[in-house]
Amino acid sequence: GAGVSQSPSNKVTEKGKDVELRCDPISGHTALYWYRQSLGQGLEFLIYFQGNSAPDKSGLPSDRFSAERTGGSVSTLTIQRTQQEDSAVYLCASSLPERATDTQYFGPGTRLTVL
Amino acid sequence: AQKITQTQPGMFVQEKEAVTLDCTYDTSDQSYGLFWYKQPSSGEMIFLIYQGSYDEQNATEGRYSLNFQKARKSANLVISASQLGDSAMYFCAMSLNYGGSQGNLIFGKGTKLSVKP
Repeated sequence: GAGVSQSPSNKVTEKGKDVELRCDPISGHTALYWYRQSLGQGLEFLIYFQGNSAPDKSGLPSDRFSAERTGGSVSTLTIQRTQQEDSAVYLCASSLPERATDTQYFGPGTRLTVL
Repeated sequence: AQKITQTQPGMFVQEKEAVTLDCTYDTSDQSYGLFWYKQPSSGEMIFLIYQGSYDEQNATEGRYSLNFQKARKSANLVISASQLGDSAMYFCAMSLNYGGSQGNLIFGKGTKLSVKP
């Protein structure tokens, strides 16, 4: 079946602009995660959605970052007033909670470059 | 605080030989899961293998096995019969909710594996 998809694959923007990154999880997966991967910081957790529960936003680096998940499926990560330090690859993952494993499957990522 | 440590920034292995990638973890939780992911130069994160904290047997998936030593808090990845296509970054990761309840993954810094022909 189809894996996690993300769009766009690449995004170049100017400092101060807002950007939206999209994630389509694997069909039926109730959990969805956003991570950020940068050279300096490695892989960092940003936000986590599980079903209808309130999202875990504990990893968001500032209030310029927000995310929503509509209808329990597609998610959008929004970065307002982008800064150069926001340049990174943004990875989305989804999983289907089971007793034995909660393996997360990742999308190809969106490479964000802030000029 | 929870932490994953991968002490080998880079590793070389001869094709067809076995290689061990080190991973140690730090948590006071009793329930957790340990994962290894492969990230080739294309950037995609590929799930390799999983070990739950209560699993008594070491996990195996084809050429991958996880050497789980709970008392030492280590979860080393062993790749047998290395292939050129194994050249990639390898990340060890931990989640803190074993058994279905979700939690985010905490990643190590990664090990870059290069397989020599």
